[in-house]
Amino acid sequence: EADIYQTPRYLVIGTGKKITLECSQTMGHDKMYWYQQDPGMELHLIHYSYGVNSTEKGDLSSESTVSRIRTEHFPLTLESARPSHTSQYLCASSEPGQGIYEQYFGPGTRLTVT
Amino acid sequence: AQSVTQLGSHVSVSEGALVLLRCNYSSSVPPYLFWYVQYPNQGLQLLLKYTSAATLVKGINGFEAEFKKSETSFHLTKPSAHMSDAAEYFCAVKSGGSYIPTFGRGTSLIVHP
Repeated sequence: EADIYQTPRYLVIGTGKKITLECSQTMGHDKMYWYQQDPGMELHLIHYSYGVNSTEKGDLSSESTVSRIRTEHFPLTLESARPSHTSQYLCASSEPGQGIYEQYFGPGTRLTVT
Repeated sequence: AQSVTQLGSHVSVSEGALVLLRCNYSSSVPPYLFWYVQYPNQGLQLLLKYTSAATLVKGINGFEAEFKKSETSFHLTKPSAHMSDAAEYFCAVKSGGSYIPTFGRGTSLIVHP
């Protein structure tokens, strides 16, 4: 069974706070991704990882940072939250599957910065 | 380079009517194509995928999609809409040499009683 978890599901926080959004998967996938999604908009890739100690920035410029110390864990950190960071953040992972790299998504974290 | 165009940000149908969600893609190499569904306050769930094995692909919840190379299309259909089908639907394309798909803007399916 494909399992990928995100915590918290909802977060309301004040401007200037440091926050970490957690993402974990139990499938042993090498590839993991963070997307930002605004209402009615497409998904924007902000970070991805090919494996442990490998992280890359995505297409959308983001002030967040990520780390990949363990295969199953891919947290995203905002050092100083701003109202412009208000959005939904989706974590995903993928396995080779004969080169297809089908993505599995977590339930998302809806972040509101006041 | 690859891109996806989903025609219509909103599609409204009556319960029991045919569902047709349009997706056109561009890809410089033979693509892999995906349809995902997103219910409110949830992540994306894979509905179906095209991997060149068959042009007509059947997915979960009674959905299917047909790959038409000449039209560069991968439209999603369901013969009879159900209220529970109301959700956001995303089409995505990925070339064989990439780990990262390109997503369309999504189409919101509204189902009326």
